[in-house]
Amino acid sequence: AQSVTQLGSHVSVSEGALVLLRCNYSSSVPPYLFWYVQYPNQGLQLLLKYTTGATLVKGINGFEAEFKKSETSFHLTKPSAHMSDAAEYFCAVSDRSYSGGYQKVTFGTGTKLQVIP
Amino acid sequence: DTAVSQTPKYLVTQMGNDKSIKCEQNLGHDTMYWYKQDSKKFLKIMFSYNNKELIINETVPNRFSPKSPDKAHLNLHINSLELGDSAVYFCASSPTRDSYNEQFFGPGTRLTVL
Repeated sequence: AQSVTQLGSHVSVSEGALVLLRCNYSSSVPPYLFWYVQYPNQGLQLLLKYTTGATLVKGINGFEAEFKKSETSFHLTKPSAHMSDAAEYFCAVSDRSYSGGYQKVTFGTGTKLQVIP
Repeated sequence: DTAVSQTPKYLVTQMGNDKSIKCEQNLGHDTMYWYKQDSKKFLKIMFSYNNKELIINETVPNRFSPKSPDKAHLNLHINSLELGDSAVYFCASSPTRDSYNEQFFGPGTRLTVL
């Protein structure tokens, strides 16, 4: 069964500093991987995803993530944090195979990013 | 135009009542979902429909009953509400049932059971 672990439920960075949010997964085969962002009182929206091809994936708002199979990781980074980046970030994983006729996306427990002026 | 909309946005009710949450998407997607997000922000899939057919039914009390009258709508009816049902419920949609697709989330319905 697939699972995803986000290290650090809260991360604080200074404005302009590097953002690094960690995500590790467990899956029998390389899965599909996603990062979603949730702003206060809103639904989730996709930042970026890895399905196949290039392992360094660029997303919206200057975020990127690298799929590292050997480390079973998909960490999210942004070179310079902005105040507007303050939000909850969710890593998600899905197996490529169909189990019981469907594929399910499993979300991590989330990391709340605080940006300090 | 809102891509995925939910009504109501807030729902406050007493234990034992029955309530419904409605969801509509205007993206032309085939697949819709219901998620529950608890107070610790943990997001858990409850149900998924593909072209009005139930394809995911997680371990959810049978007090929860989804209904999809057409592929643009997915409603959630909850009977005999309990304190533990208090959460934010998100509807989402995706183009197809394949999990590599982006899921588009609604704004959520915050349910408070007193």
